[in-house]
Amino acid sequence: KQEVTQIPAALSVPEGENLVLNCSFTDSAIYNLQWFRQDPGKGLTSLLLIQSSQREQTSGRLNASLDKSSGRSTLYIAASQPGDSATYLCASVYSGNTPLVFGKGTRLSVIA
Amino acid sequence: SQTIHQWPATLVQPVGSPLSLECTVEGTSNPNLYWYRQAAGRGLQLLFYSVGIGQISSEVPQNLSASRPQDRQFILSSKKLLLSDSGFYLCAWSPPNKYPYEQYFGPGTRLTVT
Repeated sequence: KQEVTQIPAALSVPEGENLVLNCSFTDSAIYNLQWFRQDPGKGLTSLLLIQSSQREQTSGRLNASLDKSSGRSTLYIAASQPGDSATYLCASVYSGNTPLVFGKGTRLSVIA
Repeated sequence: SQTIHQWPATLVQPVGSPLSLECTVEGTSNPNLYWYRQAAGRGLQLLFYSVGIGQISSEVPQNLSASRPQDRQFILSSKKLLLSDSGFYLCAWSPPNKYPYEQYFGPGTRLTVT
């Protein structure tokens, strides 16, 4: 069974800190891995997608890495801001036209 | 550009009442469509997905059903709601047969069954 795990479930940091969110997956035969942001009561916003042939993707202060051999992905957030407070979800897809397998997310609070 | 719509945004329904949630996608053809549910304190659960009109795959046995009457329309239904059907329902789409199969989500519907 394909599973995605995110640790920690919740994280609180002071503003300005750099932080890393972790995601692990049981099946290395993934097509891609997506990182999403979810604000309370809202839908999911796609942040970064890493294809299976890539090792990392960057967007602004965000950097996502992928290590298929170890079954891990990380989302690095530089110089965190209170506006970064949200739940961050990772998800993977294992073949075309199939649904994502989600982790349960990490709830991030950035304290001003 | 592509846009995904869901309605209603919020819904409060009594136990035993019917349900119909709608999702539509604009700006693309033959998208793959998905329904997910997010219950309080739990992760996202896939309910149904569709790769074409009339083609519905169900992931878990439940009180719900899905239909795809048109290419870009996906409907989630129930004949009689249960308390356990409460949650946040999300519709998503992805381009058909197009690597890397990125998925895009709608704004969601908050359903409370009382």
